[in-house]
Amino acid sequence: QVQLLESGPGLVKPSQTLSLTCTVSGGSISSGGYYWSWIRQHPGKGLEWIGYIYYSGTTYYNPSLKSRLTISINTSKSQFSLRLDSVTAADTAVYYCARFHPLGSVDPWGQGTLVTVSS
Amino acid sequence: DIQMTQSPSSLSASVGDRVTITCRASQSIPSYLNWYQQKPGKAPNVLIHDASILQSGVPSRFRGSGSGTDFTLTISGLQPEDFTTYYCQQSFSPPYTFGQGTKLEIK
Repeated sequence: QVQLLESGPGLVKPSQTLSLTCTVSGGSISSGGYYWSWIRQHPGKGLEWIGYIYYSGTTYYNPSLKSRLTISINTSKSQFSLRLDSVTAADTAVYYCARFHPLGSVDPWGQGTLVTVSS
Repeated sequence: DIQMTQSPSSLSASVGDRVTITCRASQSIPSYLNWYQQKPGKAPNVLIHDASILQSGVPSRFRGSGSGTDFTLTISGLQPEDFTTYYCQQSFSPPYTFGQGTKLEIK
């Protein structure tokens, strides 16, 4: 079955760029019908939809993050990535990558990776 | 954005009880509503999709219902492993917002 795994630094300094990569295994990232997504969860809080990318490169960004956010995809490596610029402590969260079925549910999810923004 | 309001935010119950969690959308989302269970330190797992369809492998004691703006998740015959946090999520319109969560605790 499809599995996703996040990777990237666990600590980022304020004003710098947060970069994470999600590696997809057990299935093709290029198969249509899914949105490859990023979702985050602030410590002890609820879930926030960051954005998604389709295999063709079409993206959707949450308007609250749009000015700082880039999501990209590398189908040859079966990876998609998140880049969040000019981070602050408010960006400290567990970041999940996941597969979203349009008009359906998020399944599966990666295990999540904690990113702390601190000097 | 579509706002999703879950209630209650926390709930105490005993093993064997039946509980109901509600989720209200700020506008109609037909049946594009999902329920997730999240255990501490883990990613959420989908329980119910499209308001009432049980995800494969999920026990039948979980039931979802509703349409439009009002939805419920009912858990019958609570088991010890059910005491954790539940989220609703709308998949009708991006950003695909989540409710704030309901923490189910043992009484």
